[in-house]
Amino acid sequence: AQSVAQPEDQVNVAEGNPLTVKCTYSVSGNPYLFWYVQYPNRGLQFLLKYITGDNLVKGSYGFEAEFNKSQTSFHLKKPSALVSDSALYFCAVRAPDSGGYQKVTFGTGTKLQVIP
Amino acid sequence: KAGVTQTPRYLIKTRGQQVTLSCSPISGHRSVSWYQQTPGQGLQFLFEYFSETQRNKGNFPGRFSGRQFSNSRSEMNVSTLELGDSALYLCASSLTDINTGELFFGEGSRLTVL
Repeated sequence: AQSVAQPEDQVNVAEGNPLTVKCTYSVSGNPYLFWYVQYPNRGLQFLLKYITGDNLVKGSYGFEAEFNKSQTSFHLKKPSALVSDSALYFCAVRAPDSGGYQKVTFGTGTKLQVIP
Repeated sequence: KAGVTQTPRYLIKTRGQQVTLSCSPISGHRSVSWYQQTPGQGLQFLFEYFSETQRNKGNFPGRFSGRQFSNSRSEMNVSTLELGDSALYLCASSLTDINTGELFFGEGSRLTVL
C-alpha cells in the first residue's frame, strides 16, 4: 500500500525567510509526486510535480521541491516566504496499485503560517 | 477556459436522506475523480472515472457511488446519509489517462448532515 506523510501539522515562518514543508512517501515502484495548495474555502491548486528527470523541480509562485529517492522525500521549499503563501499544503503521490492503475494518495496537509 | 464546476456549492440534508453532487470537468478532460475532505480524516480518495468507466475506488462503503457520462460530466451519490458524511466533497479532472498529469480541482460541495 502506498502512503504519504507530512510530519508537521503547522509550519510558522517569518516573512522573507526561507520555508520548507516536509513530505515523505512510501510506494512500490516509481512514484509520481505532487504538491497542491488550498486556500480557505477553496479547492486545491496544483503547485508542481515530479515525474522523472531532474530531482529539483520548480513550480508556481516561486515554489520548488527536491525529489530524494534514497530518503523517499519530496520537500517543498521557497527561498523567501510571503504572507500570501499562508495556506494549507498537500503532498500527493501516484503509483500503480495491484490492478495496474494509478491511484492518488494525499498527505494530511501542513498549514503554513507566514508571520509579517 | 472554464475550470472544474461543482454544484451545488452548499447543501444541508438530514440523516437518512440521499444526495447527488455534480461535477463538470474542464473541456477535454476525460478523467474525473472525487475526494472527501474532513478536518479529522483529511483528504480521502473516493473514486475515479475515465471514459465512463470506474477505474479506481477508495475505501468507502457502498452508500457512496458515482458515475460518469459520455460528455465526461460526473455525479456522485450518497444514500442513507449519516452525520459523519458531513464534509467538503471535491471533484478533480485530469487531461491524461496515464495520470502523470496534475489534477484540477473544483471549489467543492459542502455537505452538512443534520
